[in-house]
Amino acid sequence: GAVVSQHPSRVICKSGTSVKIECRSLDFQATTMFWYRQFPKKSLMLMATSNEGSKATYEQGVEKDKFLINHASLTLSTLTVTSAHPEDSSFYICSAHTGGHEKLFFGSGTQLSVL
Amino acid sequence: AQTVTQSQPEMSVQEAETVTLSCTYDTSENNYYLFWYKQPPSRQMILVIRQEAYKQQNATENRFSVNFQKAAKSFSLKISDSQLGDTAMYFCAFMSPNAGNNRKLIWGLGTSLAVNP
Repeated sequence: GAVVSQHPSRVICKSGTSVKIECRSLDFQATTMFWYRQFPKKSLMLMATSNEGSKATYEQGVEKDKFLINHASLTLSTLTVTSAHPEDSSFYICSAHTGGHEKLFFGSGTQLSVL
Repeated sequence: AQTVTQSQPEMSVQEAETVTLSCTYDTSENNYYLFWYKQPPSRQMILVIRQEAYKQQNATENRFSVNFQKAAKSFSLKISDSQLGDTAMYFCAFMSPNAGNNRKLIWGLGTSLAVNP
């Protein structure tokens, strides 16, 4: 099956620094990638949708200047948490849509801890 | 707007027994997709089963099957012969194929299933 690789799996950073999370589709071209945030024992909260070569579409309440999303190629999307603060600590998950098959494949997630 | 409701926050079942997780949704569309995803303690999201609304036949994947009732907007998941490895959060999700929706999933709040030995 399709594989989505997400790195890093865990990152600890100091408050005020920026963190970049990568999401790669390894064996297919992802026309659309989604970025989610998940709190413990809660559902996934969609942050933004990115289409290759265009600006990401952010959900209401998500700061686009804080959560920078780049989808420069059909196999790579990145989420950068800028000037991270402790309240940004969370589990972040990416998923990729294959296009035409109505299936989503998920990365393994990144646990961000901001000290 | 579409919504997905999972009314059972937590459930438990004995190993080898059968359990059914409920999911209802609301939409005005006629064509759409429904999914059940499993999230074990590793937190990797795993697709369990997928149903296309225009297909009347209920989807089945080994021990997992759904009861899709389109008129009632119900999409329950039945797990037969439960195994310890089925312990996980289970999320029901809805997708509209309309391009304007960008194919994003609408998620339920999840059901935490514990399979007891």
